[in-house]
Amino acid sequence: NAGVMQNPRHLVRRRGQEARLRCSPMKGHSHVYWYRQLPEEGLKFMVYLQKENIIDESGMPKERFSAEFPKEGPSILRIQQVVRGDSAAYFCASSPGVSMNTEAFFGQGTRLTVV
Amino acid sequence: AQKVTQAQTEISVVEKEDVTLDCVYETRDTTYYLFWYKQPPSGELVFLIRRNSFDEQNEISGRYSWNFQKSTSSFNFTITASQVVDSAVYFCALSEIMDSSYKLIFGSGTRLLVRP
Repeated sequence: NAGVMQNPRHLVRRRGQEARLRCSPMKGHSHVYWYRQLPEEGLKFMVYLQKENIIDESGMPKERFSAEFPKEGPSILRIQQVVRGDSAAYFCASSPGVSMNTEAFFGQGTRLTVV
Repeated sequence: AQKVTQAQTEISVVEKEDVTLDCVYETRDTTYYLFWYKQPPSGELVFLIRRNSFDEQNEISGRYSWNFQKSTSSFNFTITASQVVDSAVYFCALSEIMDSSYKLIFGSGTRLLVRP
């Protein structure tokens, strides 16, 4: 049973370009979470999605960032017109459901570098 | 507000020493989970433990042990006889469920350096 798969593992973008980060949840998991880790900091929650729905985007920056989790295919975190401050590790996690007993499994992360 | 504090930014020990990483949390919930993750230099997150707020028994797994004290809102992590491979950043995290949303609140991490 494959774990949470994120790709690419490393992504380099020039300022102003778009970055697309993909996350395939574990088999049977329909809940996906994105976290961002700025350099030398802890992880910060960005967004929680179920299939075709955004449940909680309270941690998403108001501009340039969007996320989706379509009926088919991986979840996508999209950053438009990237700036140097977007350089970070982006982690995706997935779970089969949501309850206090939820255990979320993390992917290996995508390291975005904006040059 | 939910909050996790890891006051130790960086700890350096010599191999074979014991080391304790502190974690203090704040929560309004009566039921919650606490976690520890390890992030080695390669960058991935390695799950170490999940502890239910109702279970205050200490836990031991090999050289790792965890001391959960609800009275002081602490969930400390001890590595016995540390090894160079233990060098990593360690994160403590707290679960939060609110308005049908679920998230983990992470501390800022403690960087552990184990010197040979």
